[in-house]
Amino acid sequence: VLTQSPGTLSVSPGDRATLSCRASQSVNSNYLAWYQQKPGQAPRLLIYGASTKMTGIPDRFSGSGSGTDFTLTISRLEPEDLAVYYCQEYGSAQWTFGQGTKVEIK
Amino acid sequence: EVQLVESGGGLVQPGGSLRLSCTASGFTFYNSWMIWVRQAPGQGLQWVAKINQDGTETYYRRSVEGRFTISRDNAKNSVHLQMNNLGAEDTAVYFCARVSLYPRGYLDYWGQGTPVTLSS
Repeated sequence: VLTQSPGTLSVSPGDRATLSCRASQSVNSNYLAWYQQKPGQAPRLLIYGASTKMTGIPDRFSGSGSGTDFTLTISRLEPEDLAVYYCQEYGSAQWTFGQGTKVEIK
Repeated sequence: EVQLVESGGGLVQPGGSLRLSCTASGFTFYNSWMIWVRQAPGQGLQWVAKINQDGTETYYRRSVEGRFTISRDNAKNSVHLQMNNLGAEDTAVYFCARVSLYPRGYLDYWGQGTPVTLSS
């Protein structure tokens, strides 16, 4: 089970946003991905392998963590970052998603 | 450019059937696992079914096993989801996505989704 926190994060433009994803068991080989889903759109892959950015993802997005605790950081929030962010583990056969963190612009 | 285009969604009565399709382009389709992921209104993401490169391995979430069938046609670069005996809990937007080659498991490209609505 992946538990994301907080459920909703309200951040001012230019500020840092820190999103957490905690696994109930250690994630094999840190096989943890992050996705961004903007309103009315399909999800988009941001990060895989806990910290590797997908091609074309802005530098302000970064992923870190290992074992059971993972973090997605948006270093300087921009208005276009309004979205729900999901983590997903693929180290087991289950490939489960977290329930998502909604990032609001303050 | 990788593109995934879903079709086949719509309004269906409880107990009815639908067949979703996803047509792929911009990559070597027969090299990739493919997956269907759904999102109920206001809810999160939930994988539904996945299939290996040649269609010999398929996996389903428990709640759809025996009702849904995933298949693929590598000659037509397409993957399908046959959904039978649909219930209210199946109302969702259904996305098809490409599964990463190695390591296998993250979803690197997604279609725009096709909505499935159950209504009597």
